Amino acid sequence: ETGVTQSPTHLIKTRGQQVTLRCSSQSGHNTVSWYQQALGQGPQFIFQYYREEENGRGNFPPRFSGLQFPNYSSELNVNALELDDSALYLCASSSDADFAYEQYFGPGTRLTVT
Amino acid sequence: GDSVTQMEGPVTLSEEAFLTINCTYTATGYPSLFWYVQYPGEGLQLLLKATKADDKGSNKGFEATYRKETTSFHLEKGSVQVSDSAVYFCALSNRGSTLGRLYFGRGTQLTVWP
Repeated sequence: ETGVTQSPTHLIKTRGQQVTLRCSSQSGHNTVSWYQQALGQGPQFIFQYYREEENGRGNFPPRFSGLQFPNYSSELNVNALELDDSALYLCASSSDADFAYEQYFGPGTRLTVT
Repeated sequence: GDSVTQMEGPVTLSEEAFLTINCTYTATGYPSLFWYVQYPGEGLQLLLKATKADDKGSNKGFEATYRKETTSFHLEKGSVQVSDSAVYFCALSNRGSTLGRLYFGRGTQLTVWP
């Protein structure tokens, strides 16, 4: 069974640029959630994708957007990067067949905005 | 809204000492409760969970009991090891339109000295 994978591992971007982060969900999972973890903080929910549609969103501006593909992998796109976007971005997959909707996390992408 | 409050760290202990990390929550209904662990440079790993009141989650010597009357889910371990050094996050998820969305505490840094 393949776990959740994310790419790239690290990324450095300049303020104002755009970035795309990728996530492959665990085999058998059909839901992907994205979280932002700033340094020294707990992860904050960005949004969730279920059946290729956004299924809930946290307190993040529209410049944070995403996609889910038919194979349940997902992308997180961030436009007009700001310095405060520097963080670890975590992807988590889960299955709607799981009563507790347990989330399985990938290793994360460390984004640095300069 | 739903939220988690965690004991602030850092926590520094000698090997074989007793560990308690306090966690309280605010939520409507009957949330599921989780403890996640994050080792340096890595993503989140589920340590243990409890899905209903009075359930006890346990794993690798760690335990936590879901106490609805005190809205708490404190993490305990009888004898910590150097390898337990990590950041610990308490989290909850609630049934709703977003499947398994997690609300995290700020995390508690644990350092264990030999």
